[in-house]
Amino acid sequence: AQRVTQPEKLLSVFKGAPVELKCNYSYSGSPELFWYVQYSRQRLQLLLRHISRESIKGFTADLNKGETSFHLKKPFAQEEDSAMYYCALTRDDKIIFGKGTRLHILP
Amino acid sequence: NAGVMQNPRHLVRRRGQEARLRCSPMKGHSHVYWYRQLPEEGLKFMVYLQKENIIDESGMPKERFSAEFPKEGPSILRIQQVVRGDSAAYFCASSGRDMSPEQYFGPGTRLTVT
Repeated sequence: AQRVTQPEKLLSVFKGAPVELKCNYSYSGSPELFWYVQYSRQRLQLLLRHISRESIKGFTADLNKGETSFHLKKPFAQEEDSAMYYCALTRDDKIIFGKGTRLHILP
Repeated sequence: NAGVMQNPRHLVRRRGQEARLRCSPMKGHSHVYWYRQLPEEGLKFMVYLQKENIIDESGMPKERFSAEFPKEGPSILRIQQVVRGDSAAYFCASSGRDMSPEQYFGPGTRLTVT
C-alpha cells in the first residue's frame, strides 16, 4: 500500500542551525512527491515538488529512490520557518499525506 | 481572488444531528477535493469531485457521508447522524485541472460532535 511516513512529530532547531525533516514513502510505481507547509493561522500550501528541483525559501528536497526518502532540508533555520510540514505523494487522482512534523525554531 | 472558501469555520453538532460543510473553490477551478484530519493524524483523502460528478470517493466512509458539487453553488460535504468519531477538521481543496497536485486549500471546518 502507498504510504508516507514522517517519523518526527516535533522537531526543535535553533535559529541558524541546519534543518532536516524526514520523509519516507512506499509506492509501487514512480512517485511524485511534495512538501506542503502550514504556517500558524494560514492555509496549507504547496512548498515544493521533487520534479521541479527548485529551492523555495531556502528549502530543498531530493528524491532518493534507493532509500525511498524525500527529506526536506535547509542549511540555516530562520524563525519564520516555524510551521507544520507535510510530506505527500500523488497516486492516481489523490494526494496521500504524511502525519506531519511540527518544526519549532528556537531563538 | 479570495481563494478557497469554507464555511462554517467551526461547527458544533450533537450526536445524531446532520452536519453540512460547504466549500467554494477558487474562481476558475472545477475540481474539488475533500480531506479529513483526525486529531494527531495527517490529512486523509475523502472524495474528489468535478462539477456534477463524483470522480473518486474511495476515501469516504460507506455510510452517513455524502458529497456533491452542483452545477451552481458550492460543494457540500454532508454527514448524517453524526457520532463523536466524526469530530475532526475537514479541508477542501480545489485545482484547475484533474490529477493536479497543485491543490489550493481552504481554511478548513472544525467539526465538534458533543
